[in-house]
Amino acid sequence: QQQVKQSPQSLIVQKGGISIINCAYENTAFDYFPWYQQFPGKGPALLIAIRPDVSEKKEGRFTISFNKSAKQFSLHIMDSQPGDSATYFCAASTDTGRRALTFGSGTRLQVQP
Amino acid sequence: NAGVTQTPKFQVLKTGQSMTLQCAQDMNHNSMYWYRQDPGMGLRLIYYSASEGTTDKGEVPNGYNVSRLNKREFSLRLESAAPSQTSVYFCASRSSPGQGVNTIYFGEGSWLTVV
Repeated sequence: QQQVKQSPQSLIVQKGGISIINCAYENTAFDYFPWYQQFPGKGPALLIAIRPDVSEKKEGRFTISFNKSAKQFSLHIMDSQPGDSATYFCAASTDTGRRALTFGSGTRLQVQP
Repeated sequence: NAGVTQTPKFQVLKTGQSMTLQCAQDMNHNSMYWYRQDPGMGLRLIYYSASEGTTDKGEVPNGYNVSRLNKREFSLRLESAAPSQTSVYFCASRSSPGQGVNTIYFGEGSWLTVV
């Protein structure tokens, strides 16, 4: 049972463009939604996170949009740079119990110069 | 501040051999996790530990055992390795609510190949 569905699997964007990655979740008990960035050979690192009490969170060029009624959230990377080329994972967890993250399947982003 | 440290980084095993992946965190976190990462499947939870001496199964626990001997260390053991366990393994830790930034921190990963 895949509780967090992520799309697209891969994405190619020109430098300066906008990268958009989408995720949908099933478990309404989830209340923490982070995005992780992973470079080859490295562990995932937290990029930005949101809680369901807000519809949008922005940190620099990275923005999370959150739609609680649709159970969807997305990552927008503005002015995409070649250094943003990485794999991005959306995830979700509850803030009680084991608080383990359930991950999407990942999106490989390539930003072309 | 080392964060989450995993050893070894790379390992090749023969089918049926056993080994232990070691993990230690220096952030005084209570919760620790082991995930495996396979192409196209994201990261899947193998085992979880809420505190020293407690462990709980995750999504894919078959073929693995874990040990949380103290707050810092959480090890993952493969008793009889199988080719299906070829994967990248990540250890992670998370602070408790009110203990600081509420997120999960990952180690650098352990690449395991079973032949």
